[in-house]
Amino acid sequence: SQQGEEDPQALSIQEGENATMNCSYKTSINNLQWYRQNSGRGLVHLILIRSNEREKHSGRLRVTLDTSKKSSSLLITASRAADTASYFCATATIYAGGTSYGKLTFGQGTILTVHP
Amino acid sequence: NAGVMQNPRHLVRRRGQEARLRCSPMKGHSHVYWYRQLPEEGLKFMVYLQKENIIDESGMPKERFSAEFPKEGPSILRIQQVVRGDSAAYFCASSPDKRTQHFGDGTRLSIL
Repeated sequence: SQQGEEDPQALSIQEGENATMNCSYKTSINNLQWYRQNSGRGLVHLILIRSNEREKHSGRLRVTLDTSKKSSSLLITASRAADTASYFCATATIYAGGTSYGKLTFGQGTILTVHP
Repeated sequence: NAGVMQNPRHLVRRRGQEARLRCSPMKGHSHVYWYRQLPEEGLKFMVYLQKENIIDESGMPKERFSAEFPKEGPSILRIQQVVRGDSAAYFCASSPDKRTQHFGDGTRLSIL
């Protein structure tokens, strides 16, 4: 399996419900980021969590990171129809010497559909 | 501050032709990344450039593909002698600090 795999592949919920998406990765990371992509558009950066952080919040978003399990989750609370999009996790790899020059490895994404 | 601008948004080429994709990074961003996205898949890294330098091209096919980021002007991803398998969406991202990347809306390349 590849770096940055999300599950589920697709998620369908009603407005107001919470949506949880998971991501697993394989290598040591500098940070993990979540992006949203609306159909036909580019990616929008949602949140970045560093490897020494365990949880981070931004508005209705909550991200957790478990480096021992090499996994992360994205929770969207009180979902809205406008949250309908594909969500990707991406990891920035650490190279020898502890540097990271930002090359991101993306997972396959979770397609979220929020029904009004 | 305008976002990352990519053009054209859609590009159609016949097999064997050349495709040139342009990316203007956000003002003040000196780091540019190119990614390719096949249908129903995530983005795959192709190349990372800083002004006038290719830093990492480990994701670029060895033949037909090249990238540049000149001192003046946009970054260019060039695909020579295109084949059907090159059909994809190509995204450019820029960054001021190699952490948060700002993406353009992509160029959708179709090969006839």
